[in-house]
Amino acid sequence: QVTLKESGPVVVQPTETLTLTCSVSGFSLSTPRMGVSWIRQPPGKALEPLAHISSNDETSYITSLKTRLTISKDTSKSQVVLTMTTMDPVDTATYFCARTQRGAFDYWGQGVLVTVSS
Amino acid sequence: DIQLTQSPSSLSASVGDRVTITCRASQSISTYLNWYQQKPRKAPKLLVYAVSNLQNGVPSKFSGSGSGTDFTLTISSLQPEDFATYYCQQSYSTPYTFGQGTKLEIK
Repeated sequence: QVTLKESGPVVVQPTETLTLTCSVSGFSLSTPRMGVSWIRQPPGKALEPLAHISSNDETSYITSLKTRLTISKDTSKSQVVLTMTTMDPVDTATYFCARTQRGAFDYWGQGVLVTVSS
Repeated sequence: DIQLTQSPSSLSASVGDRVTITCRASQSISTYLNWYQQKPRKAPKLLVYAVSNLQNGVPSKFSGSGSGTDFTLTISSLQPEDFATYYCQQSYSTPYTFGQGTKLEIK
């Protein structure tokens, strides 16, 4: 049974760095042709892919946020970590992690609502 | 990054209707196009991958077509549980971008 679960702070202050962890089970982060992405959704708005890490550790980022994002993984712990620097109120959103297979997001975590506020 | 534009942004329909949602890519993405359904306060659910392949457990009332830059999702015989927001997503190149969504509402 494949599951993903996001964890991290629900409130961060402006200018702080956000660190989110995605803990996965039911598959290995080294399985060929699979990867994990972070996707966010501001309240009432569309889905925005942030970062992706593949089974062979290739990473990619959305161009508009590339300088603020870092994605990494610890295969032994079955965890994928996203850091986002210089948080701003406009970054308030639900942050999801999702597994990719053939480029489609076939399993999702429940999401974590992160509010940026002082 | 590849841009996806969905139309319409919102759509009103009645139970039993058939509806079609369109997704246009800013460049050719071959058949690397997927569709999702999202209900309020829930994570999206993969419905269709690679244009026309139904994910396990998805009913055949959902169907997809297209290639290159133009794609469609058709939902037949709408039921109350089908009223949700639908997103297309390209898997041609990273970042795997989404369309802006189509909100399907009950008329």
